[in-house]
Amino acid sequence: DGGITQSPKYLFRKEGQNVTLSCEQNLNHDAMYWYRQDPGQGLRLIYYSQIVNDFQKGDIAEGYSVSREKKESFPLTVTSAQKNPTAFYLCASNDRVTNTGELFFGEGSRLTVL
Amino acid sequence: AQKITQTQPGMFVQEKEAVTLDCTYDTSDPSYGLFWYKQPSSGEMIFLIYQGSYDQQNATEGRYSLNFQKARKSANLVISASQLGDSAMYFCAMREPQAISSGSARQLTFGSGTQLTVLP
Repeated sequence: DGGITQSPKYLFRKEGQNVTLSCEQNLNHDAMYWYRQDPGQGLRLIYYSQIVNDFQKGDIAEGYSVSREKKESFPLTVTSAQKNPTAFYLCASNDRVTNTGELFFGEGSRLTVL
Repeated sequence: AQKITQTQPGMFVQEKEAVTLDCTYDTSDPSYGLFWYKQPSSGEMIFLIYQGSYDQQNATEGRYSLNFQKARKSANLVISASQLGDSAMYFCAMREPQAISSGSARQLTFGSGTQLTVLP
């Protein structure tokens, strides 16, 4: 079955440590995205990538970094510079061909910084 | 300024009744797309329905329909015959043409969501 796999599902880290969240898709989608969700709030865009070796900052990129070395993979690193990293992180992808541009999402990674 | 506004933080509906979740949007572009997603407590985002700005008819998908009023810039989601499994967070989202100019990336802007609880 095609889809997006995020890991780990739950992650606990100490303050000041960098953390990398994995996102892998087998949908053959060109574009991939990272969103952050805080309790009771909507999704905010962190980074997105249109193609391998290219990515752009979203609305809240400070304190985060990404890479896109393979079409299938778009890992997100939450660095120690991120002041409030505890949140739910969602990875998504979509297809340039699909008229609607519907986003397909992974199941999310919940990061808690102690 | 907020591009997507969902004014109902929480809604309750009796099982088997219909419910309307409100969404208003703000854009000056004539071409855009509107989406509704469902997020159960498990966290995954489930696509429900899409409405293009040039679509002549309101979108429908099973028990979901979108009440699209372009002049009022509203795109309300109507869920008919509510079921207990419909209890979830619901998000309205918009895709604008400026995102299309960025190549293949077509990111969405989301509202703050409405928590729907279906009562037995």
